[in-house]
Amino acid sequence: DTGVSQDPRHKITKRGQNVTFRCDPISEHNRLYWYRQTLGQGPEFLTYFQNEAQLEKSRLLSDRFSAERPKGSFSTLEIQRTEQGDSAMYLCASSRGTGSSNYGYTFGSGTRLTVV
Amino acid sequence: GQQVMQIPQYQHVQEGEDFTTYCNSSTTLSNIQWYKQRPGGHPVFLIQLVKSGEVKKQKRLTFQFGEAKKNSSLHITATQTTDVGTYFCAANSGGYQKVTFGIGTKLQVIP
Repeated sequence: DTGVSQDPRHKITKRGQNVTFRCDPISEHNRLYWYRQTLGQGPEFLTYFQNEAQLEKSRLLSDRFSAERPKGSFSTLEIQRTEQGDSAMYLCASSRGTGSSNYGYTFGSGTRLTVV
Repeated sequence: GQQVMQIPQYQHVQEGEDFTTYCNSSTTLSNIQWYKQRPGGHPVFLIQLVKSGEVKKQKRLTFQFGEAKKNSSLHITATQTTDVGTYFCAANSGGYQKVTFGIGTKLQVIP
């Protein structure tokens, strides 16, 4: 297992188009997180899965954003009708954990989205 | 929502000098994590602190969790050019499984 994989590494899209990103977590990890990071800022939480269940979604997240994790393995993040403000690095992370216990996250290399 | 404040945002040090970054919260934290992000890279997990007053060391790095579990610090002794990057604290509270990241401290080491 080589860690968390994200695809694509870079995506340039025109405003109004839909985009989808994929994340393959570490296989032993049951938790999967999506974060967004802009220049000079810390990662901002978007959503979180435990196995296949989406347990939390940021209230700041527009309805244009949706994420899935079918069968509790890989995850996809889709952004519909992209806007220039969506330009950012989208980071996926995975970790193990049970109940309220928490462990460190392993991040992927991210997908850099540019909306033109 | 929960926020963690991190200071300073930027720090330039001469190689060999020490460096400290601080993380503060207005609420009691369940635990705190520290990450390092190299320029152009992604955050890499360094350590997690859980217990009140906990101190952990990793070579030249010393991590501390406050007695009240509302603040934490990362101290690097005798910085090296390989320490360059942004150091983030990330914390959760109230039983939430996600962590909230601070804004980070960007460390520059002058050789």
